[in-house]
Amino acid sequence: DGGITQSPKYLFRKEGQNVTLSCEQNLNHDAMYWYRQDPGQGLRLIYYSQIVNDFQKGDIAEGYSVSREKKESFPLTVTSAQKNPTAFYLCASSHTSGRSYNEQFFGPGTRLTVL
Amino acid sequence: AQKITQTQPGMFVQEKEAVTLDCTYDTSDPSYGLFWYKQPSSGEMIFLIYQGSYDQQNATEGRYSLNFQKARKSANLVISASQLGDSAMYFCAMRAFNTGANSKLTFGKGITLSVRP
Repeated sequence: DGGITQSPKYLFRKEGQNVTLSCEQNLNHDAMYWYRQDPGQGLRLIYYSQIVNDFQKGDIAEGYSVSREKKESFPLTVTSAQKNPTAFYLCASSHTSGRSYNEQFFGPGTRLTVL
Repeated sequence: AQKITQTQPGMFVQEKEAVTLDCTYDTSDPSYGLFWYKQPSSGEMIFLIYQGSYDQQNATEGRYSLNFQKARKSANLVISASQLGDSAMYFCAMRAFNTGANSKLTFGKGITLSVRP
């Protein structure tokens, strides 16, 4: 079945460590996104990529890095520079052409806790 | 910049009744789209319905309909015949089509809906 997978579902990290969250899609979507969600809050965009080997900062990119070496994959690294990394992280993907609205499809999310 | 406002506190509805979830938005872009997503306790976001700013009719998808009032900049979600499985967080979002990052979505803070048996 087509979809988006994120791993791991739960992740624990010690302060000062970098950690990488995985996101893979087999929907043949060009665009991929990373969002952060804090309790009781909406989603905030961290980074997005509309094509392989290219990505742009979202609203809260500081302390995060990404790569887009393959169309199917868009890993997110939470670096030690991120001051408050404990949050729920959602990956999404969408088409960028065809229908004008191109709804985003989301993965199941990764809950990151910094100990 | 785009802004989405969802200010309702937690909403409660009796099973089989209809419920309206409010959403107001702000944008200077004349061409935009409005989205509603559902987030169950499992965490994933499920796309429900879309309304384009130039669409002549209000969008409908099964039990979901969107009450779009462009002049008031509101895009309320109506869920008819509520089911227990509708209990979730609901997010309104928008995308402005004439900005450089035309695939970027701006989300509201969400509304919690609880369906009572």
